[in-house]
Order: sequence, then structure tokens, then C-alpha cells
Amino acid sequence: GAVVSQHPSWVICKSGTSVKIECRSLDFQATTMFWYRQFPKQSLMLMATSNEGSKATYEQGVEKDKFLINHASLTLSTLTVTSAHPEDSSFYICSAREGDSYNEQFFGPGTRLTVL
Amino acid sequence: GQNIDQPTEMTATEGAIVQINCTYQTSGFNGLFWYQQHAGEAPTFLSYNVLDGLEEKGRFSSFLSRSKGYSYLLLKELQMKDSASYLCAAIDSNYQLIWGAGTKLIIKP
Repeated sequence: GAVVSQHPSWVICKSGTSVKIECRSLDFQATTMFWYRQFPKQSLMLMATSNEGSKATYEQGVEKDKFLINHASLTLSTLTVTSAHPEDSSFYICSAREGDSYNEQFFGPGTRLTVL
Repeated sequence: GQNIDQPTEMTATEGAIVQINCTYQTSGFNGLFWYQQHAGEAPTFLSYNVLDGLEEKGRFSSFLSRSKGYSYLLLKELQMKDSASYLCAAIDSNYQLIWGAGTKLIIKP
């Protein structure tokens, strides 16, 4: 099956710093990539949807200036958490989809962010 | 509004069968996914249904009734490794995925 990688797997940073998370589709072209956040014992919360070469579409309540998303190629999307605070500590998961909306989303392994 | 309902938690015995139900209310419908998520890991795809009926895939089967806005995931011959959360997600008319909160399945020996 299709493989999506995320880097880093986990990161600990100080409050006020910025963190960049990479999401790559390894063996297919990801027309659309999704970024999710998941707090403990809660379901996935979609943060934004990005199509290659266009600006990301953010969900209501997600600050686009805080969570910068770049989808510069068909195999790479990045999420940058700017000026991170302890409340941003969460499990961030990306997923990628090839082609139309009926195709399944392939999830990356996730990145656990801890902000001290 | 759009909504997905599934039980929060279920318990079953190793070797038994369990059915996890999901009801959805969405503006339009373009299919429904089931994903499995182990603690601390990302979700993995289990099934996709867009037509009414049962789709069987090994020990796991998924059923859809579009007229009732209802789906279930059936797990047979339960194994301890099946302990996980099972997420139901429906695709609405804008091709957005609407996620349920997940059902935590606990398997007991």
C-alpha cells in the first residue's frame, strides 16, 4: 500500500519557538494532503486541507498565521507551528490522498509535539 | 449540522464477534470509511463503502445502509491485537471527511 512518512516522530521544544513537521508521500503523488491534531483520548480534528501548489484551506478556529502549511510539491507538505505554547502540545498527523475524493487517505505515523 | 455517532467504548472477549455501529447525518453523502487506530499511532484504513450492503475482507466486514444513514463494522474471531479505537468517517457533498469520535474496543482474554 501507499506509504506516508512524517518527520520528526516526536519533538520537544521550548515555549515561543517554532517547529516544522514534514509529511511525505513516498510512492505516490499526493494531490491533497490533510493535517490533523489529536489530543489524548479524543478523535482526529482536521486542521487544514492543502492541494499542491495552492494555499491551504483552514478549518474554523485554526489560526492560519500560527499553523503555516506549505504544499510545494506532490510529495511534500510541511506544517510549521509558530511561537509554540504548551497548549499546542498534541499529536499531529498528516494524511495524503491521490486523485479524487473517493480515494482513501493514507496516514503518516504522526508527530508528538511537547512544548515546555 | 453534520454528525457522526458511534459508541465510546465496547468490550468483547477474545475469539468472539463484535459489531461497532455508526450513524451519520451529513449534507450529501459520498461514502464512508472505517479506520483502526492503536494508541499512540496514526489511523490505518480498514474499509470504504459507498453502496448499500456488506463488504467482507477477511475477519473484518463493513455494512452500509444509505437510506438509514447507518453503517457497522463487524470483527470476527477477535484477537488481542484488535484492541484499538475504530473510527467511522463519512464523506459529505463537499468531499470533506466528517469524523466520528471513535469507539475504543477492549478485548479480554
